[in-house]
Amino acid sequence: DAGVIQSPRHEVTEMGQEVTLRCKPISGHNSLFWYRQTMMRGLELLIYFNNNVPIDDSGMPEDRFSAKMPNASFSTLKIQPSEPRDSAVYFCASSLTGYDSPLHFGNGTRLTVT
Amino acid sequence: DAKTTQPPSMDCAEGRAANLPCNHSTISGNEYVYWYRQIHSQGPQYIIHGLKNNETNEMASLIITEDRKSSTLILPHATLRDTAVYYCIVRVLDAGNMLTFGGGTRLMVKP
Repeated sequence: DAGVIQSPRHEVTEMGQEVTLRCKPISGHNSLFWYRQTMMRGLELLIYFNNNVPIDDSGMPEDRFSAKMPNASFSTLKIQPSEPRDSAVYFCASSLTGYDSPLHFGNGTRLTVT
Repeated sequence: DAKTTQPPSMDCAEGRAANLPCNHSTISGNEYVYWYRQIHSQGPQYIIHGLKNNETNEMASLIITEDRKSSTLILPHATLRDTAVYYCIVRVLDAGNMLTFGGGTRLMVKP
């Protein structure tokens, strides 16, 4: 089991640039989650998908953030335009649908916007 | 989500049992208790979960009180690699699989 795979591991970009973070969930999992972690706010849920359909995006901070899941094995989180306050570690997680199914997290993408 | 309360930090001697408490006094009858941990620079790692009964796996044991208002995660023989932030989370069933993380307990295992 390869686990949840995120890329890139580190991203440094300048303010105003577009940033795309990528996630490959565990094969067979049908729920996917994007979280953001900062020192000030801890781990926050941004959006989650069930069977490739966005279910709850209330955590997405602004219209600059968008997420897609074109198929069961791939998801992207895009920030356009990026700002310094977007600097954080972004985690993707996947699980089987079911109220007692644990989430499995990737190792995150550390984003720095200068 | 039912709110959880955890001590912000704890120390434990290497080789001893680490007992991490969590209060969840407003938990509902159909809400599960989950434990995750996060080792520095890594994604959160699932440890164990339970509803009513005590649970044990290769990583830890989970003890839930009879009234379900609190629980304790037990690492039977803590090692230096168990140094991490431990999160106790209560899941709302109608919120899908999503988890809401609080501040957690920073466990420091010392030689």
